[in-house]
Amino acid sequence: GNSVTQMEGPVTLSEEAFLTINCTYTATGYPSLFWYVQYPGEGLQLLLKATKADDKGSNKGFEATYRKETTSFHLEKGSVQVSDSAVYFCALSPPGNQFYFGTGTSLTVIP
Amino acid sequence: DGGITQSPKYLFRKEGQNVTLSCEQNLNHDAMYWYRQDPGQGLRLIYYSQIVNDFQKGDIAEGYSVSREKKESFPLTVTSAQKNPTAFYLCASSIVGGNEQFFGPGTRLTVL
Repeated sequence: GNSVTQMEGPVTLSEEAFLTINCTYTATGYPSLFWYVQYPGEGLQLLLKATKADDKGSNKGFEATYRKETTSFHLEKGSVQVSDSAVYFCALSPPGNQFYFGTGTSLTVIP
Repeated sequence: DGGITQSPKYLFRKEGQNVTLSCEQNLNHDAMYWYRQDPGQGLRLIYYSQIVNDFQKGDIAEGYSVSREKKESFPLTVTSAQKNPTAFYLCASSIVGGNEQFFGPGTRLTVL
């Protein structure tokens, strides 16, 4: 079946620290992989995506690489800011449209 | 601007009442989805629709109903049969076969 497992939070970092949020998946076929971000009281926004193995998605200083051999899509950022405080969701979508989301990881960045 | 709107942002209802949440999109997407979000549980799919007048149950459809009479609209009714309806509800849309879902701002439903 299809599922996503992501690192449990909450995660608290100081400003300018390095961020890694782990995400692993199980999937049938060849899914696309996504990271979405949710700010307090809002809907989800697409942060980045990768559609095939070895692709790297990147946006706003965040990066994630589609690793088929380890079935992973870890989110990284070299230097976090207070404005990055949010909940981050890893998701996969096999061909056919349905999405499967992880449980979310809450990130708080303190000045 | 194209996007998805959900209304209202906050909704309060008494136990035993049905309530309908609105979702409208002007992105010309054929597919629309309803998710429920509870703390620490991520998003769970309630219903989805890939074409007008057709929809399928998701993982937690019990106690909910939907309609899809227009491409732009996909309202969700939370019925009195839903045992624990207090949650944050998110609507999303996508092109069929596309690989990105676009989300609305959500409706927080509180049943008193």
